[in-house]
Amino acid sequence: SQQGEEDPQALSIQEGENATMNCSYKTSINNLQWYRQNSGRGLVHLILIRSNEREKHSGRLRVTLDTSKKSSSLLITASRAADTASYFCATEAGGYNKLIFGAGTRLAVHP
Amino acid sequence: GAVVSQHPSWVICKSGTSVKIECRSLDFQATTMFWYRQFPKQSLMLMATSNEGSKATYEQGVEKDKFLINHASLTLSTLTVTSAHPEDSSFYICGTGQGATGELFFGEGSRLTVL
Repeated sequence: SQQGEEDPQALSIQEGENATMNCSYKTSINNLQWYRQNSGRGLVHLILIRSNEREKHSGRLRVTLDTSKKSSSLLITASRAADTASYFCATEAGGYNKLIFGAGTRLAVHP
Repeated sequence: GAVVSQHPSWVICKSGTSVKIECRSLDFQATTMFWYRQFPKQSLMLMATSNEGSKATYEQGVEKDKFLINHASLTLSTLTVTSAHPEDSSFYICGTGQGATGELFFGEGSRLTVL
């Protein structure tokens, strides 16, 4: 089963613009993670934010977490064509490292 | 991070045949492996959790006899799709965690097409 929803489902922007993706989840969490998937490939871990953190940065990535609203957002600043991919949020589901993924956002960055 | 190798990357088979997908952890011992299934433009759906030396735990709605999982060693987990049908055509991905960080490391996925 999926943990929650992500929006938008698809996002198309120009290089240099910022991209914001949102994720909602249903249950209590220890942490929330974001992954990236290039078309037809495996997933790559981007960033993890713990339940007691509200914001985290990694390079051009900024993640926020609002546990009261059970939501998170991923911001990619100064996007590049190479950022074109699908982005998924994931939360642990009652088992060590057992992740449930959101629906994902397909990001297209145009040169 | 950990390196996970998944093979084959793609396979085409006829209905009724069985297909085995291998997932290897190359640089660490994986006591647990997670198997996911992904349909085009959709999210990953957790199918089962394989545990080294014991039976796999299947998610609700996943047929155990259809998707056989074996985790005989700390470096190898396999998923066998038995008596494959066209509706089994999908992208299958394995992933495992290392340590207490919670992040998973994934294989490159296997695209199965059943004719």
